[in-house]
Amino acid sequence: DADVTQTPRNRITKTGKRIMLECSQTKGHDRMYWYRQDPGLGLRLIYYSFDVKDINKGEISDGYSVSRQAQAKFSLSLESAIPNQTALYFCATSDLQGGRETQYFGPGTRLLVL
Amino acid sequence: GQSLEQPSEVTAVEGAIVQINCTYQTSGFYGLSWYQQHDGGAPTFLSYNALDGLEETGRFSSFLSRSDSYGYLLLQELQMKDSASYFCAVGQDSNYQLIWGAGTKLIIKP
Repeated sequence: DADVTQTPRNRITKTGKRIMLECSQTKGHDRMYWYRQDPGLGLRLIYYSFDVKDINKGEISDGYSVSRQAQAKFSLSLESAIPNQTALYFCATSDLQGGRETQYFGPGTRLLVL
Repeated sequence: GQSLEQPSEVTAVEGAIVQINCTYQTSGFYGLSWYQQHDGGAPTFLSYNALDGLEETGRFSSFLSRSDSYGYLLLQELQMKDSASYFCAVGQDSNYQLIWGAGTKLIIKP
């Protein structure tokens, strides 16, 4: 079984709709992240959480919100989807050992906003 | 500002050696990481350098020069399956959060 799972894998929605992307992990990591990736570009951080009670905005948090329901679950919501939120969304977890952070990514969710 | 610069695309021949460079400008530095991403896939961790020098893992090596704010990923004995995008990322604060480069698309020709 995959250590980091994302649902749905693909989603088509209309402008103005509220949608939620879900992420679950079985790695037992406290740190979790949401990124978006646009074609030909790198990863941009939306939100991150270092434990259940810790939520932080990333580089591009406007238009997004998150919920850390448990150590294993971190959800991303688009309150009112717009076409320029069409992208590939990745959830990631990480562990920190000896000063090295290694991130482990889910398979991604492809979102199309019409 | 904070930035990581890497070439957008590199082309090489199967069996050859290729080097992908990364220069960074960040407010702090807590290590340089490299990730691989195949088309349609998720990024996966390749290597990490916290100190100057070369780290070798099989056909892949990664180098860091902190004084030059520079590192590179070296891929030897290229195989077609190495065709992917490669991202450098810097841990830039005491929380070790990663700042990502835009990625280098490696194209391998037979």
